[in-house]
This record gives sequence, structure tokens and C-alpha cells, in this order.
Amino acid sequence: QSALTQPASVSGSPGQSITISCTGTSSDVGGYNYVSWYQQHPGKAPKLMIYDVSNRPSGVSNRFSGSKSGNTASLTISGLQAEDEADYYCSSYTSSSTLVFGTGTKVTVL
Amino acid sequence: QVQLVESGGGVVQPGGSLRLSCAASGFTFSSYGMHWVRQAPGKGLEWVAFIRYDGSNKYYADSVKGRFTISRDNSKNTLYLQMNSLRAEDTAVYYCAKEPYSSSFLNWYFDLWGRGTLVTVSS
Repeated sequence: QSALTQPASVSGSPGQSITISCTGTSSDVGGYNYVSWYQQHPGKAPKLMIYDVSNRPSGVSNRFSGSKSGNTASLTISGLQAEDEADYYCSSYTSSSTLVFGTGTKVTVL
Repeated sequence: QVQLVESGGGVVQPGGSLRLSCAASGFTFSSYGMHWVRQAPGKGLEWVAFIRYDGSNKYYADSVKGRFTISRDNSKNTLYLQMNSLRAEDTAVYYCAKEPYSSSFLNWYFDLWGRGTLVTVSS
């Protein structure tokens, strides 16, 4: 199972909005609504930001939103803040009853 | 306090074995499916394995199938990962992670992670 494809890096200025894409196939992202997004700061464990494509866990800022179109899922961060600087990973359930993560995206706040 | 604490990592030679443990506290461990996820140094996340709340179903990534075994002891609130025939490419921080709901239905995302334990495979 190949990793889902994410851009290596995305940057934005404070207050701006950025979008991270996550591209898979019809056997994973396109076939199921089991797409999640995680935020990981250096040396820390990942933190759940979005689950089931577009649902936000309690305690996660509403500046984070998720969506999906076809085989591509997206995470949008609006009103970018310094603390949003981190690595972000998408994940998806697959038709092989496994989970696949994305390649990861480093978000830089300029 | 709701938490997961991994242990058992260390340095092992190629071809060797290691058993990781994940101690759960603050929730009813026996009601939740559990996963192992790993992250090689400077690399991305890789899902490793899943075990159902009662141990009746297990799934593995192709990269570890036949070499790794996930198990649990609900009486001890502990998750395990037995790793055999270790290779250099198994070098990573290994995290245990919890499914969000206490049901037999798999949600395939994680609402709680441990801090990880480092496994280094090197001669």
C-alpha cells in the first residue's frame, strides 16, 4: 500500500488560510469517508485534528476544517497562527482493511 | 489520568526480536480497539497493526506481516507488539494508539496516543 500523496511543505503568513491536499485512490480516500488528519509538533505524539473527512474533535479550533472530492482530501487552516506550525498527516482506511498515512506536510508560518 | 505509556524499546541486532508493551490507564482498556503506529527517524507515520477490543481480530501492514504479532492482556490493561526477524528498516519510534469508541465497529482513527518508544535495529 503506497502512502497517500501530500505536498512536502506549505507556508502562509499569520491570518492567512492554507490548504493541504491528500491524494489517494478509489481504494482508499475515494472509496471511504474514513479520512483523518493529525498535527505533530517536533518530538511530540500526533494529535487528531479531523476525523471522518470533516468532523472536528472537541477542543480542536474551528479554524481547522476538512473536505474531500473524489480521491483527494483536503485540510484547510484559516486564520493561520504561529502555533499551527507543525507537520500534518492525513490517513485513510483502505480496501485491504489496513490504514495508510500520507507522506506528511510541513506547515511554516512566515 | 487517561494515558498510554509505551516501553520495551532499545537497540537490537538485525534478525533479533523485541517485545513492546503499552500500558493503558484512565479508561476501560478492554472495551477499545488498539493500534500500533511507527515513525522512522525524520520520516512520516506508518500504521503497523490493529487488534480488536477482545483480541478476536487482528490486521497488519504488509511490511510487518508474518514478522510482528499484536496481542493484548485485558486483565493487565496492556497492549503488546512482538517483533521478530527485525530489519534495519524497522528502526522507528513505535506509538500505541486508541480507537475513539468502545464498540466492535472500527473507526480507523486515534483519539489518544502514547509518547512512543524508540526501537533501533543495528549491528
